[in-house]
Amino acid sequence: QKEVEQDPGPLSVPEGAIVSLNCTYSNSAFQYFMWYRQYSRKGPELLMYTYSSGNKEDGRFTAQVDKSSKYISLFIRDSQPSDSATYLCAMSASSGAGSYQLTFGKGTKLSVIP
Amino acid sequence: NAGVMQNPRHLVRRRGQEARLRCSPMKGHSHVYWYRQLPEEGLKFMVYLQKENIIDESGMPKERFSAEFPKEGPSILRIQQVVRGDSAAYFCASSPLKIALRGLDEQFFGPGTRLTVL
Repeated sequence: QKEVEQDPGPLSVPEGAIVSLNCTYSNSAFQYFMWYRQYSRKGPELLMYTYSSGNKEDGRFTAQVDKSSKYISLFIRDSQPSDSATYLCAMSASSGAGSYQLTFGKGTKLSVIP
Repeated sequence: NAGVMQNPRHLVRRRGQEARLRCSPMKGHSHVYWYRQLPEEGLKFMVYLQKENIIDESGMPKERFSAEFPKEGPSILRIQQVVRGDSAAYFCASSPLKIALRGLDEQFFGPGTRLTVL
């Protein structure tokens, strides 16, 4: 079993739809949960991060963490064509070597159709 | 304020040649990380360096791969005697000194070097 599982998609939605992206993980040591956005031929860019369980909202984006289920989600409201990218979940522990070693999912490719 | 710079962006090598990938961290950043993204795979941690020190190379293949971050100049990831399986995107990230209260030590990624081995 991989440490982080993420459905690679591709996911295609109409403009204005609500998008739900998800990852599951197996390592209980993970404390930081991140979502990166990667446009084609570019490097990953940190979108949001949460520490431990709970929700975090930033504009049209909401990140959710359920540590009991080892499940994290990113919701995008009112999706726009400019949101079309690959979304990567990433995780790290809070201390020691695990704090800087980011463990990534494979990424979900999202297309928002005008 | 320039971001993380990587060059070359694309590199083609024949089997058995050497590949040198360069990374210049963001201004003021003293920590450098290298990740590899194989086709259809997620990014995998390779090595963590500070100036003149390798802190953690647990993700590096034991043979043919080496990394350095000299006092002056960019960080270099070197792959000797490349094989087809080395074809991948190699990403460098940098971060500033860890600010304890902030918690997460955000890593800023460069655009990557795409290595193709013929």
